[in-house]
Formats: sequence, structure tokens, C-alpha cells
Amino acid sequence: AQSVTQLGSHVSVSEGALVLLRCNYSSSVPPYLFWYVQYPNQGLQLLLKYTTGATLVKGINGFEAEFKKSETSFHLTKPSAHMSDAAEYFCAVSGWMDSSYKLIFGSGTRLLVRP
Amino acid sequence: DVKVTQSSRYLVKRTGEKVFLECVQDMDHENMFWYRQDPGLGLRLIYFSYDVKMKEKGDIPEGYSVSREKKERFSLILESASTNQTSMYLCASRSGRDYEQYFGPGTRLTVT
Repeated sequence: AQSVTQLGSHVSVSEGALVLLRCNYSSSVPPYLFWYVQYPNQGLQLLLKYTTGATLVKGINGFEAEFKKSETSFHLTKPSAHMSDAAEYFCAVSGWMDSSYKLIFGSGTRLLVRP
Repeated sequence: DVKVTQSSRYLVKRTGEKVFLECVQDMDHENMFWYRQDPGLGLRLIYFSYDVKMKEKGDIPEGYSVSREKKERFSLILESASTNQTSMYLCASRSGRDYEQYFGPGTRLTVT
């Protein structure tokens, strides 16, 4: 069965600092991996996704993530944090389960950006 | 752009009331989903539908039912609302040819 673990329910960085949000997954089949962002009082918006091909994936707002099969990881990074990046971030894995493709979400990481 | 809309952003209901949450998508997606979101638990799948009049239970279907009479519309029903159903409810849709799900803005339901 697929599962997702996000390390750290809260991450705090200074404006301009590197952002690193960690995600590890468990999957018995080649995974499709996603990062979503949720701004306050809004739904989830796709940041980036990995399906096949290049393991370094670039997304919106300067974020990127690298699929590392040997480490079963898909960590999200951004070189320089902006105040507008403050939000909750969810890692998700998609796979064929119970005769359908489903998304399994991690518990989320809230990113705080200090001025 | 894909648009998923939900009928209410905020809803307050009393214990025992029947509650309807409506979701509409405009991209002719085959698959639609209902999740609930609670702090520290992420998103948990309640029900999903891969076609009109078809439905499948997700991970936490107890206390909920769904209806999909038209392709664009997927309704979540709380037959008799309880306080432990106070939560954020998110609807999503997905094309049968892709893996990405598109989310609505959410309905924050409070049951008192």
C-alpha cells in the first residue's frame, strides 16, 4: 500500500533563506508524486508533479523537487523564501488501489516565513 | 482553466440535520472526489466517483453518502450531522487521462 510521510508539521525560515520541505513515500509500484500548496481559506493548488522522465521537476513560484528512488524521497525546495510562500504544503502519491487511481496525502507541513 | 466550485465556503448546521454539499466542475472530468481535511491528518478520502451514477467508498465513508446524477456534479450528503463531522470538506476532479486532481475552494462545515 502507498503512504506518504512529511517530516515536520511546521517549518520556519527567514525571508530569503532556503526552503526545504521533506517528503518520503512508500509504494510497491512506480509512483506518481505531487506537491500541492494551500493558502489560507483556499483549496489545494498543484505546485509540481513527477510522473516519468527527468527526476528534477520544476514547478510554479520557483519551487522544485527531486525524485530519488533509492531514498524514496521527493523533497520540495526553493532557493529563496518570500513572505508570500507562507502556506501549508502537502505531498501526495498516486497509485492504483482498489481498482482506481487514488491520491494519498501526507499530513502537511505549514511553512512560516519570518521577515 | 479547470474550475471546481463548491456551493458554500462556510456552513453552520445543527446536530441531526441533513446536510448537502455540492460540487461542480466544468472540464468534463470523469472522476470526482470528496475529502475531509483535519489538522494533523492531511486529506482523507470519503467517497469518489468515476462515472455518472457510480460511486466508491474511500477511507472514511461512515456517516456520509454521495450522489452523482450528472457528470459535472458530485454531492456529499450527511444524513444526520454530528459534531465530529465538523471539518473542512474539499471536492476534486480528475480527467481519466491524467493523474492530477483539481480542487475546489473548500467548505468549512461547523456542526453545533
